[in-house]
This record gives sequence, C-alpha cells and structure tokens, in this order.
Amino acid sequence: QVQLVQSGIDVKNPGASVKVSCKAAGYSFISYGVSWVRQAPGQGLEWMGWISTYSGDTRYEQKFQGRVTMTTDRSTSTAYMELRSLRSDDTAVYYCARGGPILNGFPFDYWGQGTPVTVYS
Amino acid sequence: SYVLTQPPSVSVAPGKTAMITCEGDNIGRKSVHWYQQKPGQAPVLVMFYGSDRPSGISGRFSGSNSGNTATLTISGVEVGDEADYYCQVWDSSSDHYVFGDGSKVTVL
Repeated sequence: QVQLVQSGIDVKNPGASVKVSCKAAGYSFISYGVSWVRQAPGQGLEWMGWISTYSGDTRYEQKFQGRVTMTTDRSTSTAYMELRSLRSDDTAVYYCARGGPILNGFPFDYWGQGTPVTVYS
Repeated sequence: SYVLTQPPSVSVAPGKTAMITCEGDNIGRKSVHWYQQKPGQAPVLVMFYGSDRPSGISGRFSGSNSGNTATLTISGVEVGDEADYYCQVWDSSSDHYVFGDGSKVTVL
C-alpha cells in the first residue's frame, strides 16, 4: 500500500538548518509530486512548497523563498525538505504529502506521519 | 493572496447533520479539497474537487461548491467524526496552495 515514512523528531538551535526526509513506497515515485506542509503548535496547516519527483522542478511559498530547498533522490524514492536559518517560530510538525505530477490543484491523497521539529536555544 | 474563511467551530448532536463552510472569492471556480485531522494524527483527504469522495471515506461525507462558498456536509454525525477540518484550494494566480484556518467539529 502507499506509504510516506518521514524521519524522526529533531531539535535545533536558532540559526541552524534541518533536513527532513520522506521515503515513499507502494507506488511509482516519479508519477506523483510531493508537497511539504507544516503545522505550528495549535495552529492550522501551511503549505511550504512542491517538488516534481520527475523533473526536480520546484515551487516555494513566497515566505520560505531563500530559506527552503526541496530535493528528491529517485534511486531511493525519497524526498527531502531543508529549512535554513531556523527561528523559534519554525517550531512545527512538518508533513510531506503526495500530490499531482504537475502543480495544478491536485489533492494531497497520502500524507507522511509528520516530523516534529523544535527550535530553541 | 487568496483567503479562505472557515468558522472556527461547529457543534452538532450525534445523528444530526454538520455543515462546514469555506468562503472565498469565486471559490466555485476553483478546485476545493477537504481534509480531516484528528489530534496527533496527519490530515486525511475526505473530499476532493468539491464533491468527490476518496475510497474508504464514509458515504456520510458529501461536498458542494458554488459561488463564494464550498461546503463539507457530514450526515448522521458520529463521535468519531470529531476532528479539525480544513479546506484547501489551488490559487492559479500565484501558483500556490492555500488552506483555510480550519473548523473544529465537536459532537455534543
């Protein structure tokens, strides 16, 4: 069955970087894109960006431009999201989600289990 | 940027019908998706393209989208339906996804 398995809990100091992984199984990895969504404690869902697993093309939410990089490793069917220059308000659960092969309004039909990231000094 | 407005909370008695609204400018022209999120869990897709239900989602869930309002309807509400519900659209003008702030459904 389709599964997205994410890396585990992470704790970082302000100014550091975090890289979250999302390993896909049960489907053709390059046939679907991957979006990243985060959720701060007690808050709603926030879309961060999308990556084409086929071409590597990316689209980032403007507020993350310059701080985020999304990549994939097709050999291991794994997507990655790196966020740099971490601040305390980056403390959140980070989710990967399967979306369409192109960026055109496809729903997110499968989600990873989430990776809690805490930023504190 | 495109804004989606949801009621913060919806309360409903067991067996009754819950209607969760999502308002946005001409949202009826957009693809709307709905997600259910229970505490400590990842979101789950419960409705896509306004009124299509994924396999495995109860037939008690239905959706509509017209004008400036999209609606997720839960019929015969059960205690297990208690969750946060988020609407989502694709904003083609800015090339990004937008989520509503979420509605907490409480079963009385």
